[in-house]
Amino acid sequence: ETGVTQTPRHLVMGMTNKKSLKCEQHLGHNAMYWYKQSAKKPLELMFVYNFKEQTENNSVPSRFSPECPNSSHLFLHLHTLQPEDSALYLCASSQSPQGAGANVLTFGAGSRLTVL
Amino acid sequence: AQSVTQLDSHVSVSEGTPVLLRCNYSSSYSPSLFWYVQHPNKGLQLLLKYTSAATLVKGINGFEAEFKKSETSFHLTKPSAHMSDAAEYFCVVSGTVSNSGYALNFGKGTSLLVTP
Repeated sequence: ETGVTQTPRHLVMGMTNKKSLKCEQHLGHNAMYWYKQSAKKPLELMFVYNFKEQTENNSVPSRFSPECPNSSHLFLHLHTLQPEDSALYLCASSQSPQGAGANVLTFGAGSRLTVL
Repeated sequence: AQSVTQLDSHVSVSEGTPVLLRCNYSSSYSPSLFWYVQHPNKGLQLLLKYTSAATLVKGINGFEAEFKKSETSFHLTKPSAHMSDAAEYFCVVSGTVSNSGYALNFGKGTSLLVTP
């Protein structure tokens, strides 16, 4: 298991459901990220948190709501999703967004989301 | 802006033969470049990184990549493929830093198939 743990690994939900994805890192990192990975498309950065503060929202629809209670935990709350939101959602962490090693990310295994 | 182009979406090699995964980059200044690997149902794992030191970079599992500024390339190679190398490989360029950290631009990925 890597230093970044994501749960659940698989999630199937209807368009009216509310669910959450969880990410936890055990590396002492200060920055955490949500990425969306869709088939045949480059990874898309969604959100960045630096020391619990959101520093990046890459024009993500409001049906995705992130939460970062501390530097070790990151959530992605989902509600009224669309079928096109089906994808692999990857959480990552780094030492900090700007310092040495900042551009080296450690990824979790991802949460595979299917929206019916 | 920084970007990468992975020239092959699929590469197939026989076990024991050399591997070549091609990546060209575009950057207005000296970039940092990375290769990540993603095995099925796993997150992305850093293979190697180039950060303006030696142009030949050695990574894990016998992989290496050579930064060629004149060709704007950062191809990934391995002398002898192993069955366990079958995975998706991503070339990544690191851009400018902001409050949200370094902008990482991912290629679309190259799927490596290794046949017995």
